[in-house]
Amino acid sequence: DTGVSQDPRHKITKRGQNVTFRCDPISEHNRLYWYRQTLGQGPEFLTYFQNEAQLEKSRLLSDRFSAERPKGSFSTLEIQRTEQGDSAMYLCASSLAFRTDTDTQYFGPGTRLTVL
Amino acid sequence: QQQVKQSPQSLIVQKGGISIINCAYENTAFDYFPWYQQFPGKGPALLIAIRPDVSEKKEGRFTISFNKSAKQFSLHIMDSQPGDSATYFCAASLSMNRDDKIIFGKGTRLHILP
Repeated sequence: DTGVSQDPRHKITKRGQNVTFRCDPISEHNRLYWYRQTLGQGPEFLTYFQNEAQLEKSRLLSDRFSAERPKGSFSTLEIQRTEQGDSAMYLCASSLAFRTDTDTQYFGPGTRLTVL
Repeated sequence: QQQVKQSPQSLIVQKGGISIINCAYENTAFDYFPWYQQFPGKGPALLIAIRPDVSEKKEGRFTISFNKSAKQFSLHIMDSQPGDSATYFCAASLSMNRDDKIIFGKGTRLHILP
């Protein structure tokens, strides 16, 4: 399977703990995005990378959130001191920017975080 | 401020019928309008997309109708099948060399009756 993969698929943690999620994009894709989706809502943009550079961060991304893409391949999203409001599905997507057709973003299956 | 408004929130259609989902956007700079389909426990998957230089795009049973002056677009699913039961998101973005993060609508939960 050469699609976007995310690990873990599910994470249950206690309030105040730190959690880290991993995303492996489609191999030749230079852009990587993180979105958050809460129940009954559409995904909301959090941040994105062009290769290893983090180019934009949403206001949704508080100081407790940090994302990295150290070698321009996989990415990690860390949430420190988790709060119950962080419970959501965290989606990763990748795309090959600067194509002439579409900048289709391909989504992974997501990591569902539950903060108790 | 919701940049992409989607309706209805839920929709029930008989098998073989036409499912219609509507969306409206505010930012006239948007130049790429994808529709995503999401099944429970899965990430969204691109279904069909359109750019504002065309008024309609058809792929199989799925058609996007686009009205640039009204800033509205819609998804039509012809001959709806039970396997089409899913949540559908309309979306908009600024593509090509600019910030192309996707702005999603809130979704429409579609149920096709067998």
